[in-house]
Amino acid sequence: NAGVMQNPRHLVRRRGQEARLRCSPMKGHSHVYWYRQLPEEGLKFMVYLQKENIIDESGMPKERFSAEFPKEGPSILRIQQVVRGDSAAYFCASSPGQAAVYEQYFGPGTRLTVT
Amino acid sequence: KNEVEQSPQNLTAQEGEFITINCSYSVGISALHWLQQHPGGGIVSLFMLSSGKKKHGRLIATINIQEKHSSLHITASHPRDSAVYICAAYNNNDMRFGAGTRLTVKP
Repeated sequence: NAGVMQNPRHLVRRRGQEARLRCSPMKGHSHVYWYRQLPEEGLKFMVYLQKENIIDESGMPKERFSAEFPKEGPSILRIQQVVRGDSAAYFCASSPGQAAVYEQYFGPGTRLTVT
Repeated sequence: KNEVEQSPQNLTAQEGEFITINCSYSVGISALHWLQQHPGGGIVSLFMLSSGKKKHGRLIATINIQEKHSSLHITASHPRDSAVYICAAYNNNDMRFGAGTRLTVKP
C-alpha cells in the first residue's frame, strides 16, 4: 500500500505565476488535509477536504488560494499569482476518517520557492 | 499566547538519556497527536491519544485531560531520534499545532 504521494517535491515559480500542488492520499483514505510550514515556523492547518467537498477551509488565505478533491484523481492545492511570502513547504495528510478520531499519514511535502 | 505550547523549544541530550517533551494546551480537544519531523522535512505520526498512555518501542506518550497536558518520553535516546517533535491538538476539524521541540541526541 503506497503512502501519501505529493508532487512535485520541489516547485519554483516566479512572482505572479500559478502553483499547482498535488496530493494522492493512501488507498482507502477519503479525507485529505493540507498544511503549510513557513521557513523556521510551525505547521499551520489550511484546509480539510473529503471527496468532492471542502469541509473546513478556515486556515486558507481568503485570496489566491483554492483547494479541491475531485471524485477521481488527486487533491489539488492551487495558488494563483504567487508572491514571495508563499514560499514554504506544503504538506498534505490523509486519513480514513476525521483527524480527531483517526491517525493521519503525511506526504513528503512540496517545497515551493517563489523567485 | 499560543493555544498549544511546547517545552522545551530546543533540547540536547547524550545518547542513552531519558527525554521528556511537554505539551500544554488551552483549548478543549478530542484528540492530541504527536508528530516527528525528520531533518529532511518528512513528517511521521507517532501517537494519537485522547486519554491515558500509549507506548511504542522506546516512545511513550501520556495525556492528562484535566490538566490539559501531554508528555512524550523517549527512553534510551539515540542519535537517530534527533528530529523536531510536534504536538497537535484536535477538536473536530479545528487543529492547533505547537511550535515544535528540536531534539538533538549526541553520540
